[in-house]
Amino acid sequence: EVQLVESGGGLVQPGGSLRLSCAASGFTFSSYEMNWVRQAPGKGLEWVSYISSSGSAIYYADSVKGRFTISRDNAKNSLYLQMNSLRAEDTAVYYCARNIRHNYGSSLDHWGQGTPVTVSS
Amino acid sequence: DIQMTQSPSSLSASVGDRVTVTCRTSQTISRYLNWYQQKPGKAPKLLIFGASSLQSGVPSRFSGSGSGTDFTLTISSLQPEDFATYYCQQSYSTPITFGQGTRLEIK
Repeated sequence: EVQLVESGGGLVQPGGSLRLSCAASGFTFSSYEMNWVRQAPGKGLEWVSYISSSGSAIYYADSVKGRFTISRDNAKNSLYLQMNSLRAEDTAVYYCARNIRHNYGSSLDHWGQGTPVTVSS
Repeated sequence: DIQMTQSPSSLSASVGDRVTVTCRTSQTISRYLNWYQQKPGKAPKLLIFGASSLQSGVPSRFSGSGSGTDFTLTISSLQPEDFATYYCQQSYSTPITFGQGTRLEIK
């Protein structure tokens, strides 16, 4: 069974840092692209970042570019999101999601349960 | 960035009803369109990929159609467990983008 378990969320002051982790199991982690997606309280879904299976290709949403860093450790079956210079508008539940490719692009076929991040003084 | 517009934003319906949610994109995306269901406090769940392909394990009452800029998600006969929020998402170009969501409520 595919499982994605996020951790590392919490309360942080504006300007602070936080590192999120996503532990993967039940599939060959090194073969899959991964994403971070967030959801602010009462709002919709916002894609944050993507990383290829090897880590060689990385993309960010403009809203986090230069502040967040996505990475992965395939030996540890883990995905990470280093978040620096946090702002109030980064407050959200952060989900890691597995990417699958098909004839018409890609989809996010498995999601973790999410980890909440609150940026407040 | 490709803008996604869902309609309606909310919808009241009864068990057994046929329901349709629409998603329109700001530029043509062929069939690079996915649909997700999200229940309160839970992670989103993939329902439909490639505009019309049913994800494994998803009931056949869910269907998707469309291509280009106009897409629909249809639930043929609403069940109590279908009351949730539905999101469309494009994978045609980066950044991937989501619609604002359609909240399906019990009438």
